[in-house]
Amino acid sequence: GAVVSQHPSWVICKSGTSVKIECRSLDFQATTMFWYRQFPKQSLMLMATSNEGSKATYEQGVEKDKFLINHASLTLSTLTVTSAHPEDSSFYICSARRETSTGELFFGEGSRLTVL
Amino acid sequence: AQSVAQPEDQVNVAEGNPLTVKCTYSVSGNPYLFWYVQYPNRGLQFLLKYITGDNLVKGSYGFEAEFNKSQTSFHLKKPSALVSDSALYFCAVRPPSGGYQKVTFGIGTKLQVIP
Repeated sequence: GAVVSQHPSWVICKSGTSVKIECRSLDFQATTMFWYRQFPKQSLMLMATSNEGSKATYEQGVEKDKFLINHASLTLSTLTVTSAHPEDSSFYICSARRETSTGELFFGEGSRLTVL
Repeated sequence: AQSVAQPEDQVNVAEGNPLTVKCTYSVSGNPYLFWYVQYPNRGLQFLLKYITGDNLVKGSYGFEAEFNKSQTSFHLKKPSALVSDSALYFCAVRPPSGGYQKVTFGIGTKLQVIP
Protein backbone atom coordinates (compact mmCIF):
# COMPACT_ATOMS: atom_id res chain seq x y z
CA GLY A 1 0.00 0.00 0.00
CA ALA A 2 0.93 3.64 -0.22
CA VAL A 3 3.35 4.98 2.36
CA VAL A 4 3.16 8.30 4.14
CA SER A 5 5.98 9.24 6.46
CA GLN A 6 5.91 11.81 9.22
CA HIS A 7 8.90 13.32 11.00
CA PRO A 8 9.68 13.77 13.79
CA SER A 9 7.76 11.11 15.71
CA TRP A 10 8.41 12.85 19.01
CA VAL A 11 9.39 16.40 19.75
CA ILE A 12 9.79 18.29 22.99
CA CYS A 13 10.25 22.03 22.89
CA LYS A 14 10.23 25.04 25.15
CA SER A 15 7.30 27.40 25.26
CA GLY A 16 7.65 30.18 22.70
CA THR A 17 9.64 28.22 20.17
CA SER A 18 8.44 26.97 16.78
CA VAL A 19 8.30 23.37 15.67
CA LYS A 20 8.10 22.00 12.15
CA ILE A 21 6.55 18.64 11.32
CA GLU A 22 7.03 17.08 7.90
CA CYS A 23 4.67 14.80 6.03
CA ARG A 24 5.96 12.99 2.98
CA SER A 25 4.25 10.68 0.53
CA LEU A 26 7.01 8.23 -0.29
CA ASP A 27 5.71 6.33 -3.29
CA PHE A 28 3.02 8.53 -4.79
CA GLN A 29 2.24 12.14 -5.53
CA ALA A 30 -0.28 13.86 -3.33
CA THR A 31 -1.88 17.07 -4.48
CA THR A 32 -3.84 17.16 -1.26
CA MET A 33 -2.77 16.34 2.26
CA PHE A 34 -4.65 16.73 5.49
CA TRP A 35 -3.48 17.67 8.97
CA TYR A 36 -5.28 16.40 12.05
CA ARG A 37 -4.94 16.85 15.75
CA GLN A 38 -5.82 14.08 18.16
CA PHE A 39 -6.45 14.60 21.85
CA PRO A 40 -6.23 11.72 24.31
CA LYS A 41 -9.15 9.34 24.00
CA GLN A 42 -10.67 11.44 21.25
CA SER A 43 -11.04 11.16 17.54
CA LEU A 44 -9.11 13.01 14.90
CA MET A 45 -9.94 16.64 14.42
CA LEU A 46 -9.26 17.98 10.94
CA MET A 47 -7.19 21.15 11.21
CA ALA A 48 -6.57 22.01 7.60
CA THR A 49 -6.38 20.79 4.05
CA SER A 50 -3.00 21.31 2.45
CA ASN A 51 -3.05 21.98 -1.29
CA GLU A 52 0.08 21.72 -3.40
CA GLY A 53 1.07 25.07 -4.78
CA SER A 54 -1.65 27.04 -3.04
CA LYS A 55 -2.76 28.17 0.37
CA ALA A 56 -4.07 25.71 2.87
CA THR A 57 -7.73 25.64 3.77
CA TYR A 58 -8.23 25.84 7.51
CA GLU A 59 -11.16 24.48 9.47
CA GLN A 60 -13.20 26.80 11.61
CA GLY A 61 -11.50 27.67 14.86
CA VAL A 62 -7.99 26.77 13.72
CA GLU A 63 -5.58 29.70 13.79
CA LYS A 64 -3.79 29.90 10.46
CA ASP A 65 -1.06 32.13 11.87
CA LYS A 66 -0.47 29.64 14.65
CA PHE A 67 -0.39 26.54 12.50
CA LEU A 68 1.47 27.35 9.29
CA ILE A 69 1.08 24.84 6.49
CA ASN A 70 3.26 24.69 3.40
CA HIS A 71 2.71 22.20 0.59
CA ALA A 72 5.67 23.05 -1.59
CA SER A 73 5.83 19.88 -3.65
CA LEU A 74 3.67 16.93 -4.60
CA THR A 75 5.31 14.78 -1.95
CA LEU A 76 5.85 17.10 0.99
CA SER A 77 3.65 19.12 3.30
CA THR A 78 4.87 20.78 6.48
CA LEU A 79 3.05 21.96 9.58
CA THR A 80 4.81 24.57 11.68
CA VAL A 81 3.48 25.25 15.15
CA THR A 82 4.59 28.79 15.83
CA SER A 83 5.28 30.21 19.27
CA ALA A 84 4.23 26.96 20.82
CA HIS A 85 2.51 26.86 24.20
CA PRO A 86 1.74 23.94 26.49
CA GLU A 87 -1.85 23.82 25.24
CA ASP A 88 -0.47 23.02 21.77
CA SER A 89 0.84 19.74 23.13
CA SER A 90 -0.92 17.02 21.21
CA PHE A 91 -0.62 14.22 18.68
CA TYR A 92 -0.56 15.56 15.13
CA ILE A 93 -1.29 13.27 12.19
CA CYS A 94 -1.15 13.89 8.48
CA SER A 95 -2.84 11.99 5.70
CA ALA A 96 -2.65 12.02 1.95
CA ARG A 97 -4.88 10.98 -0.85
CA ARG A 98 -3.40 9.16 -3.80
CA GLU A 99 -4.96 10.24 -7.06
CA THR A 100 -5.43 6.70 -8.28
CA SER A 101 -6.86 5.40 -5.03
CA THR A 102 -10.52 4.61 -4.76
CA GLY A 103 -11.39 6.25 -1.55
CA GLU A 104 -9.05 5.62 1.32
CA LEU A 105 -6.63 8.01 2.91
CA PHE A 106 -3.08 7.04 3.82
CA PHE A 107 -1.84 8.27 7.17
CA GLY A 108 1.52 9.17 8.57
CA GLU A 109 2.73 7.65 11.83
CA GLY A 110 1.90 10.79 13.77
CA SER A 111 4.01 13.28 15.69
CA ARG A 112 3.70 13.78 19.41
CA LEU A 113 4.46 17.34 20.42
CA THR A 114 5.15 18.24 24.03
CA VAL A 115 5.60 21.89 24.88
CA LEU A 116 7.20 22.58 28.23
CA ALA B 1 -24.51 17.17 8.97
CA GLN B 2 -22.89 13.79 8.74
CA SER B 3 -21.85 11.88 11.80
CA VAL B 4 -20.40 8.60 12.94
CA ALA B 5 -21.23 6.84 16.18
CA GLN B 6 -19.17 4.16 17.82
CA PRO B 7 -21.31 3.31 20.83
CA GLU B 8 -18.71 1.31 22.72
CA ASP B 9 -15.65 2.93 24.24
CA GLN B 10 -14.07 -0.46 24.74
CA VAL B 11 -14.70 -4.00 23.63
CA ASN B 12 -13.15 -6.93 25.45
CA VAL B 13 -12.99 -10.34 23.81
CA ALA B 14 -11.15 -13.54 24.57
CA GLU B 15 -8.51 -14.69 22.13
CA GLY B 16 -10.00 -17.04 19.56
CA ASN B 17 -13.53 -15.72 19.97
CA PRO B 18 -15.32 -13.71 17.31
CA LEU B 19 -15.26 -9.95 17.69
CA THR B 20 -17.57 -7.15 16.62
CA VAL B 21 -16.91 -3.43 16.78
CA LYS B 22 -20.02 -1.40 16.13
CA CYS B 23 -20.46 1.65 13.93
CA THR B 24 -23.50 3.58 12.79
CA TYR B 25 -23.51 6.60 10.55
CA SER B 26 -25.57 9.45 9.25
CA VAL B 27 -24.85 11.03 5.87
CA SER B 28 -26.68 12.42 2.88
CA GLY B 29 -26.63 10.14 -0.09
CA ASN B 30 -24.80 6.86 -0.46
CA PRO B 31 -21.92 6.78 1.97
CA TYR B 32 -18.29 5.89 1.57
CA LEU B 33 -17.43 3.95 4.74
CA PHE B 34 -14.03 3.06 6.17
CA TRP B 35 -12.41 1.29 9.07
CA TYR B 36 -8.97 2.23 10.34
CA VAL B 37 -6.85 0.81 13.14
CA GLN B 38 -4.45 2.78 15.32
CA TYR B 39 -1.72 1.32 17.48
CA PRO B 40 -0.31 3.41 20.36
CA ASN B 41 1.51 6.52 19.20
CA ARG B 42 1.07 5.58 15.55
CA GLY B 43 -0.95 6.92 12.67
CA LEU B 44 -4.05 5.21 11.35
CA GLN B 45 -3.81 2.17 9.14
CA PHE B 46 -6.46 1.44 6.56
CA LEU B 47 -8.37 -1.81 7.11
CA LEU B 48 -11.23 -1.81 4.63
CA LYS B 49 -13.77 0.30 2.83
CA TYR B 50 -17.23 0.19 1.37
CA ILE B 51 -17.94 2.29 -1.68
CA THR B 52 -20.50 0.27 -3.59
CA GLY B 53 -21.34 -3.31 -4.48
CA ASP B 54 -21.34 -6.30 -2.16
CA ASN B 55 -22.46 -5.39 1.34
CA LEU B 56 -19.86 -7.67 2.93
CA VAL B 57 -16.43 -6.19 2.60
CA LYS B 58 -13.25 -8.09 3.39
CA GLY B 59 -10.15 -6.26 4.46
CA SER B 60 -6.71 -6.60 5.96
CA TYR B 61 -5.69 -9.00 8.76
CA GLY B 62 -8.83 -11.11 8.43
CA PHE B 63 -11.24 -8.30 9.23
CA GLU B 64 -14.53 -7.81 7.44
CA ALA B 65 -17.44 -5.41 7.72
CA GLU B 66 -21.04 -5.51 6.66
CA PHE B 67 -22.80 -2.50 5.22
CA ASN B 68 -26.45 -2.40 6.30
CA LYS B 69 -28.26 0.46 4.65
CA SER B 70 -31.55 0.05 6.50
CA GLN B 71 -29.81 0.13 9.86
CA THR B 72 -27.19 2.66 8.70
CA SER B 73 -24.52 0.45 10.20
CA PHE B 74 -21.08 -0.73 9.22
CA HIS B 75 -19.94 -3.09 11.97
CA LEU B 76 -16.41 -4.46 11.93
CA LYS B 77 -16.03 -8.19 12.51
CA LYS B 78 -13.44 -10.91 12.74
CA PRO B 79 -14.18 -14.62 13.23
CA SER B 80 -11.30 -15.30 15.61
CA ALA B 81 -9.58 -12.55 17.59
CA LEU B 82 -5.84 -12.38 18.13
CA VAL B 83 -4.03 -10.66 20.98
CA SER B 84 -2.24 -8.58 18.34
CA ASP B 85 -5.61 -7.18 17.26
CA SER B 86 -5.69 -5.13 20.46
CA ALA B 87 -5.73 -1.51 19.29
CA LEU B 88 -7.96 1.50 18.73
CA TYR B 89 -10.41 1.19 15.85
CA PHE B 90 -11.96 4.11 14.01
CA CYS B 91 -14.97 4.06 11.75
CA ALA B 92 -15.17 6.88 9.20
CA VAL B 93 -17.72 8.13 6.69
CA ARG B 94 -17.49 10.36 3.67
CA PRO B 95 -20.32 11.64 1.52
CA PRO B 96 -20.17 10.71 -2.18
CA SER B 97 -19.50 14.35 -3.01
CA GLY B 98 -17.58 17.02 -1.18
CA GLY B 99 -14.06 15.71 -1.08
CA TYR B 100 -11.84 13.99 1.42
CA GLN B 101 -11.89 16.92 3.81
CA LYS B 102 -15.41 15.80 4.54
CA VAL B 103 -14.33 12.52 6.09
CA THR B 104 -15.75 12.25 9.59
CA PHE B 105 -14.20 9.89 12.08
CA GLY B 106 -15.89 8.21 14.99
CA ILE B 107 -14.50 8.62 18.47
CA GLY B 108 -12.82 5.25 18.33
CA THR B 109 -13.33 1.92 20.09
CA LYS B 110 -10.55 0.32 22.06
CA LEU B 111 -10.38 -3.39 21.40
CA GLN B 112 -8.78 -5.51 24.09
CA VAL B 113 -8.17 -9.14 23.22
CA ILE B 114 -7.54 -11.17 26.35
CA PRO B 115 -5.15 -14.12 26.11
